[in-house]
Amino acid sequence: SQQGEEDPQALSIQEGENATMNCSYKTSINNLQWYRQNSGRGLVHLILIRSNEREKHSGRLRVTLDTSKKSSSLLITASRAADTASYFCAPDSSGSARQLTFGSGTQLTVLP
Amino acid sequence: DTGVSQDPRHKITKRGQNVTFRCDPISEHNRLYWYRQTLGQGPEFLTYFQNEAQLEKSRLLSDRFSAERPKGSFSTLEIQRTEQGDSAMYLCASSSRASGTDEQFFGPGTRLTVL
Repeated sequence: SQQGEEDPQALSIQEGENATMNCSYKTSINNLQWYRQNSGRGLVHLILIRSNEREKHSGRLRVTLDTSKKSSSLLITASRAADTASYFCAPDSSGSARQLTFGSGTQLTVLP
Repeated sequence: DTGVSQDPRHKITKRGQNVTFRCDPISEHNRLYWYRQTLGQGPEFLTYFQNEAQLEKSRLLSDRFSAERPKGSFSTLEIQRTEQGDSAMYLCASSSRASGTDEQFFGPGTRLTVL
């Protein structure tokens, strides 16, 4: 498996604004997953995008994937204070997700 | 609650002691994973079980670490002769390919502090 690198490391925005975080990886993938982690808790799966997909939506989340640039972005629209968390991407080269490798994440703070 | 559970949630031990953590996955999930997470970092993969078979182990899993899943249900992670560097959050996750998704469901973690 390979590690995704999230960017920026930290992001602070006002409630109601949109938050965009990026993920870069090095080798070809079968799919890429995004997870959220609230402080002191386990990770929660947000969305999975497959290599043949370019964009996927889930509620206020929009994920894009550019395999030519080996990058993905996660957009959270109309952010809320409850979105404050760390966000991790996990690129999966094996297609079986048996071993996910996470970067250091993006720490998002949404100010009320 | 039918999610992944871990026990204990917190463990404080002295250097050199042995500790054991337990993970109960979602009941129909045949895959179980252990990760370790230190402050400010993402989780690092330790090991993976499919049913009772341990199929993958990270080089992070030194000989002081052992994991078991004897009946393909719950799993235990034991650390022998703990060191201060073992202080971390230990996360367990489970998944099922039968569900058609690669999503891993994480437990709340066990926070280990080695004094």
